[in-house]
Amino acid sequence: NAGVTQTPKFQVLKTGQSMTLQCAQDMNHNSMYWYRQDPGMGLRLIYYSASEGTTDKGEVPNGYNVSRLNKREFSLRLESAAPSQTSVYFCASSNTGELFFGEGSRLTVL
Amino acid sequence: LAKTTQPISMDSYEGQEVNITCSHNNIATNDYITWYQQFPSQGPRFIIQGYKTKVTNEVASLFIPADRKSSTLSLPRVSLSDTAVYYCLVGDMGGTGNTPLVFGKGTRLSVIA
Repeated sequence: NAGVTQTPKFQVLKTGQSMTLQCAQDMNHNSMYWYRQDPGMGLRLIYYSASEGTTDKGEVPNGYNVSRLNKREFSLRLESAAPSQTSVYFCASSNTGELFFGEGSRLTVL
Repeated sequence: LAKTTQPISMDSYEGQEVNITCSHNNIATNDYITWYQQFPSQGPRFIIQGYKTKVTNEVASLFIPADRKSSTLSLPRVSLSDTAVYYCLVGDMGGTGNTPLVFGKGTRLSVIA
């Protein structure tokens, strides 16, 4: 079982470049989440989606956009990357409150 | 958003029982308490979840007092492999997904041989 799959696993960007992190889950979960985790820190919620077609801001949404493309997929877009967005990004999904996480996407912005 | 407060770090020797307490004074009626474990370079993974009183599974116990303003994760006889960061998470687990599930800073547990 794949669970939650994130792509890419690693990415290096230059300041001002844009990119999209992809996330897909095969557990038929309604809710999906994007978190970021800076070195030595806890996870901070960027955006979440309670169901297909809905998205809401989390703790740190500035500089990001999301799309809940369908029930399986929830993408995170950086329109103009900044060094402060260097982090590990985790996608998660849930149906009953137990979060299932992907392996993370490590993003470096130079 | 229900906020949580945990100790930043704890040390323990192998074989000891470890208790990590989380404070969540503004927990809502529909909120459950869930604990996660995270190893370096991995996403958090579920340990245990409860609403009130005591819950036990094969790896841990969760104690929740009647007022539900705090909870304690108990790890029996820890080993070196239990060295990790432990997070307490409070939120509506009814499956609606309308609750933004916000993590606290977590407790870094170091198990010493």
